[in-house]
Amino acid sequence: DAKTTQPTSMDCAEGRAANLPCNHSTISGNEYVYWYRQIHSQGPQYIIHGLKNNETNEMASLIITEDRKSSTLILPHATLRDTAVYYCIVRVVRVKAAGNKLTFGGGTRVLVKP
Amino acid sequence: GAVVSQHPSRVICKSGTSVKIECRSLDFQATTMFWYRQFPKQSLMLMATSNEGSKATYEQGVEKDKFLINHASLTLSTLTVTSAHPEDSSFYICSVISGGSYNEQFFGPGTRLTVL
Repeated sequence: DAKTTQPTSMDCAEGRAANLPCNHSTISGNEYVYWYRQIHSQGPQYIIHGLKNNETNEMASLIITEDRKSSTLILPHATLRDTAVYYCIVRVVRVKAAGNKLTFGGGTRVLVKP
Repeated sequence: GAVVSQHPSRVICKSGTSVKIECRSLDFQATTMFWYRQFPKQSLMLMATSNEGSKATYEQGVEKDKFLINHASLTLSTLTVTSAHPEDSSFYICSVISGGSYNEQFFGPGTRLTVL
């Protein structure tokens, strides 16, 4: 699976949109972009994923550039509860379940401030 | 998504003892579960893939005789840390593969192990 690069940390203002960048310049055509977050002392939580098109769900929006070499996770109205480490992961979806293990990078430590 | 539980959520033990951590898939039958370890201020590191009905597959550098994995049923995998030492103190997290089109992975809440 391709490697990703994320900023180490960022601060966001409560109530404002938080834009989290991720670079994945070596992504291949069949690799999906996944985002997870991990609130302190909890297991990771799935946020969203996409292949080429922009995606939106109740938690966030995912914007993928046309060349797919980077993406941005958008939290539309950040709250204090969104303070967490956000992981961008690129992976191929494999038919065999055991082939779908995830490789976590360092992620971005997001601090939402009042 | 799949609901995953872990037990215990927190455990403190003496050096040299063994500790068992359970991972349960509450609403889904999982043939595959993963075990991760996370040291303070570090990212998650995959330890092993737990396969129902067969032996676990361990990542490079993870001692299979120290971290015993038993995937007893489609809803339960256990990780036993044998002869625990202070350096095994960590946050242990399991996940299950939900199947479906994307083989999504859902994580348990984690178990904090402290070895004195």
